[in-house]
Amino acid sequence: TQLLEQSPQFLSIQEGENLTVYCNSSSVFSSLQWYRQEPGEGPVLLVTVVTGGEVKKLKRLTFQFGDARKDSSLHITAAQPGDTGLYLCAGDGSSNTGKLIFGQGTTLQVKP
Amino acid sequence: AAGVIQSPRHLIKEKRETATLKCYPIPRHDTVYWYQQGPGQDPQFLISFYEKMQSDKGSIPDRFSAQQFSDYHSELNMSSLELGDSALYFCASSLRRGVDFVVETQYFGPGTRLLVL
Repeated sequence: TQLLEQSPQFLSIQEGENLTVYCNSSSVFSSLQWYRQEPGEGPVLLVTVVTGGEVKKLKRLTFQFGDARKDSSLHITAAQPGDTGLYLCAGDGSSNTGKLIFGQGTTLQVKP
Repeated sequence: AAGVIQSPRHLIKEKRETATLKCYPIPRHDTVYWYQQGPGQDPQFLISFYEKMQSDKGSIPDRFSAQQFSDYHSELNMSSLELGDSALYFCASSLRRGVDFVVETQYFGPGTRLLVL
C-alpha cells in the first residue's frame, strides 16, 4: 500500500517567517502534486512535479521533487496571512489509472 | 477557464435515504474521479471512470454506485445513507493523452457537502 507521510501536520508562524512542509514515502511516484484547500472547498492545484530532482517556483513557493521520486517539499518564503490554509501533497497511485493518494495535510496559520 | 462543476453544493438527508451527486468535468476531459473527505481528514479515493468505463475502484461502499455518461458527466448514487457518510464529496477530472495513457493533472470541483441526520 502506498502511503504519503506529510509533516508537520500543524504549523503556526508569524508573518514574514519561512517554512518548509515535507511529503515522504517509501514508494516511488511518477508524479507528485501539491494542492491548497480552503475550508469547505475543493483542493486547488498549486504544482505538479514529475522529474526526479525537479524544482519549481511559484512566486514565494518553491517545490522540490526528490531525486528518487519518493519525497517532495514545499518551501514558503516570507509567509503572509493569505498563505493560511491546508496544504496537501498527493501522488499518483500504483494502478496507473490516475487515482491520487493524499498525505494527511499540513494546516498552516500565518499570523499578522 | 471552465472548471469542474458539482451539484448540489450542499445536501441534507436522513438515515436510510438515498442521494445522487453530480459532476460535470472540464470540457474535453475524459476521466472522472470521486473522492470522499471526512472532517479533518485527507481525501480518500472512491472510484474513477475513463471514457464511460470504470477504471479503478477504491474504498467505495457497496451501497454506493457511480457511472459516467455519454457526455462525460458522472453521478455518484448513495443508498441506505448512514451517519458516517457525512462528508465532503469531491469530483476531479483529467485528460489522458497518447497511446501510453499518460494521465494529466487532476482538477477538483468545489465539492458537495453531505450531511446525514
